[in-house]
Amino acid sequence: EDKVVQSPLSLVVHEGDTVTLNCSYEVTNFRSLLWYKQEKKAPTFLFMLTSSGIEKKSGRLSSILDKKELFSILNITATQTGDSAIYLCADWCGSQGNLIFGKGTKLSVKP
Amino acid sequence: NAGVTQTPKFQVLKTGQSMTLQCAQDMNHEYMSWYRQDPGMGLRLIHYSVGAGITDQGEVPNGYNVSRSTTEDFPLRLLSAAPSQTSVYFCASSPWGNEKLFFGSGTQLSVL
Repeated sequence: EDKVVQSPLSLVVHEGDTVTLNCSYEVTNFRSLLWYKQEKKAPTFLFMLTSSGIEKKSGRLSSILDKKELFSILNITATQTGDSAIYLCADWCGSQGNLIFGKGTKLSVKP
Repeated sequence: NAGVTQTPKFQVLKTGQSMTLQCAQDMNHEYMSWYRQDPGMGLRLIHYSVGAGITDQGEVPNGYNVSRSTTEDFPLRLLSAAPSQTSVYFCASSPWGNEKLFFGSGTQLSVL
């Protein structure tokens, strides 16, 4: 059965801290892994990863994929209160042609 | 650009009532899908469609029906609402073969 597991499920940090969010997956016919940020409403796209070892970066956020060990990490440096959100990891399940989501990591950044 | 539009944004139903959640996209995307999101459960796929006239079940399809008569619209029908269907529902679309989904703003549904 295809699945995506995120850890931790929740995390509380203070502004300025660096955080690492984890995502492991077991999917058939892997094509890509995606990260989304969800604040109050709809998830918004952050990164899509298809190749191992190539870091994707956007400002203070970065992500990398390890296809051998079947996991990805999302790093956020110098966290701000605006980073407080649920971060969702999803894998494209080739056998079904759909995105399979993990349960998400709820990040709370305290001032 | 409107993107993916969902209506209504909020809805309260009584057990046994029926209703339709509307979803429309103006990006000419072939792929459309419905997810539900419950606390601590992430997003779970209900139904999806890869084009007009083609629909299929996702992970949690029971109690829901869909149809896809046009490329733009993908309504989700609750035939007889149950309290277990209280959730936030998201519609999403993408060009077929493109994994990056575009999400609507969601419908918060409460079934009493």
